[in-house]
Amino acid sequence: AQSVTQLDSHVSVSEGTPVLLRCNYSSSYSPSLFWYVQHPNKGLQLLLKYTSAATLVKGINGFEAEFKKSETSFHLTKPSAHMSDAAEYFCVVSGGDTGRRALTFGSGTRLQVQP
Amino acid sequence: ETGVTQTPRHLVMGMTNKKSLKCEQHLGHNAMYWYKQSAKKPLELMFVYSLEERVENNSVPSRFSPECPNSSHLFLHLHTLQPEDSALYLCASSQLSGGARETQYFGPGTRLLVL
Repeated sequence: AQSVTQLDSHVSVSEGTPVLLRCNYSSSYSPSLFWYVQHPNKGLQLLLKYTSAATLVKGINGFEAEFKKSETSFHLTKPSAHMSDAAEYFCVVSGGDTGRRALTFGSGTRLQVQP
Repeated sequence: ETGVTQTPRHLVMGMTNKKSLKCEQHLGHNAMYWYKQSAKKPLELMFVYSLEERVENNSVPSRFSPECPNSSHLFLHLHTLQPEDSALYLCASSQLSGGARETQYFGPGTRLLVL
């Protein structure tokens, strides 16, 4: 079985400061991991994806994430937050009880960016 | 704008009504998905259609009935819903590549309110 834990339900940062959104996963085999972002009243947009190639994955809008197998973590970072980054972020692992293509979502982290 | 569209964007219905949600993908993908996003709960996979085969989450009530007439269109038929079915219903699509590493692309969702 797969599971994802997002360690913070809310994160607040000031504009221009670094962003860290934490994610831990468990998987019975080598997983694919994703970060999606959801702006208010919008669907989910893919930020980045890890599929067993490079452990440091670069995504859109300056975000990146590092896969650490020893820590079962896939934390999302950005060096400098922008007001437009305010949204909800979901860490996702592929596979699950409903078939290997099913996505298992974390509960989400709401990012606030203060001016 | 994503390559996955959903209609309607908002829907209010009574418990005795019958309605349908529609999803269309313009990405040439061969798998489509329905997810439910409830307040304060992780996204939940409801149904998967891949290569014209249906896989479903066994916890989904029978008052939700999916239909996939071709690889580009997906419907979710609703009847005798309950207030707890109020949620954001998200459609997604992906291109199967023989593993669990495909990226799913999401539509904007249908916000459903059951009175």
